[in-house]
Amino acid sequence: EDQVTQSPEALRLQEGESSSLNCSYTVSGLRGLFWYRQDPGKGPEFLFTLYSAGEEKEKERLKATLTKKESFLHITAPKPEDSATYLCAVQATRNTGKLIFGQGTTLQVKP
Amino acid sequence: GAVVSQHPSRVICKSGTSVKIECRSLDFQATTMFWYRQFPKQSLMLMATSNEGSKATYEQGVEKDKFLINHASLTLSTLTVTSAHPEDSSFYICSAPRGVDLEQYFGPGTRLTVT
Repeated sequence: EDQVTQSPEALRLQEGESSSLNCSYTVSGLRGLFWYRQDPGKGPEFLFTLYSAGEEKEKERLKATLTKKESFLHITAPKPEDSATYLCAVQATRNTGKLIFGQGTTLQVKP
Repeated sequence: GAVVSQHPSRVICKSGTSVKIECRSLDFQATTMFWYRQFPKQSLMLMATSNEGSKATYEQGVEKDKFLINHASLTLSTLTVTSAHPEDSSFYICSAPRGVDLEQYFGPGTRLTVT
């Protein structure tokens, strides 16, 4: 069964304190792994797609990496506006379009 | 800017009534759209896949007679919650794949409250 597990469930950082969020996955044939940001009461906002082990993508203070079993979202020198829930999702090759989400990591960055 | 819109953003209805939620892809066509439900403090759960020109595909445990999906055109899918009950109160979000890599873009969500 395809499964996505994110850790930690919640993370509190001081502004400027770098850290990483983890997304472990089990899927029979990975088509893509996606990272989204979700603010309270809003739909998820697309951040990255990763397709193969070893791939890395960056956007401002965020960097996503992928191995055969997990993905990390590294946050460098976070700011309070980075506070949000970060969702990881996988798409299996046999189910084009269908996403399986993890439970998310709620990040709070204090000034 | 937003690539997927939803309407309404919030709706309150009485138990037993029906509510329709619209999902539109902006500036692109989507033969497939997806409907998710999200309860407080929980992640997104896929309810169904909306297919233009054919019947929707529902996930296990989702009542197809209660959650009616119609993919009316290449830019519009609707979700109708029929005979709504308080336990149907939730955040409903749609998504549509776009681009060569079919990256999914999500709408802003609809908060449904059934009283």
